[in-house]
Amino acid sequence: DVKVTQSSRYLVKRTGEKVFLECVQDMDHENMFWYRQDPGLGLRLIYFSYDVKMKEKGDIPEGYSVSREKKERFSLILESASTNQTSMYLCASVDRGLGGYTFGSGTRLTVV
Amino acid sequence: RKEVEQDPGPFNVPEGATVAFNCTYSNSASQSFFWYRQDCRKEPKLLMSVYSSGNEDGRFTAQLNRASQYISLLIRDSKLSDSATYLCVSSLSGGYNKLIFGAGTRLAVHP
Repeated sequence: DVKVTQSSRYLVKRTGEKVFLECVQDMDHENMFWYRQDPGLGLRLIYFSYDVKMKEKGDIPEGYSVSREKKERFSLILESASTNQTSMYLCASVDRGLGGYTFGSGTRLTVV
Repeated sequence: RKEVEQDPGPFNVPEGATVAFNCTYSNSASQSFFWYRQDCRKEPKLLMSVYSSGNEDGRFTAQLNRASQYISLLIRDSKLSDSATYLCVSSLSGGYNKLIFGAGTRLAVHP
C-alpha cells in the first residue's frame, strides 16, 4: 500500500511565524498535492507538483509556497502565518495517469 | 458556480435503508470520476471509481451520466459503519491528474 506521511497531526503556531508542513510518500509517485479543508468549503487545492523542482499554483496559493527538492518529499510553507490559515492541511500523491489519490492523515494547524 | 456540487445533507437513515447521493459537475472535459469516503477528523479515502457503464462494489453502486454531467452513489442495506461524509470527485484529462472535490454529503446511519 502507498503510504503518505505528514510530519505532524496537530500544530499550534503564532501569527507571523514561518510554518513548514512536510509530506513524504514512499511509492515513487510523480504528482503530489497540497489541499486545505474547511467546513462547508470542501478541499481546496493550494499547490501541486508534477516533478522534482516543478510546482504549479492551485486555486488558493496566496500566502503559501512549496518546495520539492526530492521526488518523495513535498513541503508546504506558510511564509507568515495568519489566523485565516487555521485549517486542516492534507497532502496527497498519485502516479501519472488517471487514478485516485492517496492522502496523508492531515495536519490540523491552528494559528493564534 | 462550484465545479462539483453535492447536497451537503445530512442524510439520516436507519440501518438497512437504501440511500442515494447525487452530484453534478460543470466541466464537460472532466474525464474520470470517483467517490471518496471521509470519516470525522480523518483523511479522505478512495471508495470507488465511477465508470460510464456503471459499477458495483458489494453494497455500493456508482453511476455516471455524461450527457447530464451527473454522478450518483447508491448504498444498499446501510450499516452503522457507513456513517461518514462522501465526496464526489472529478478529474480533468491531462498528465497532472488534478482532482476537483465536491464539498461532501454527510450520512448518518442510526440503529
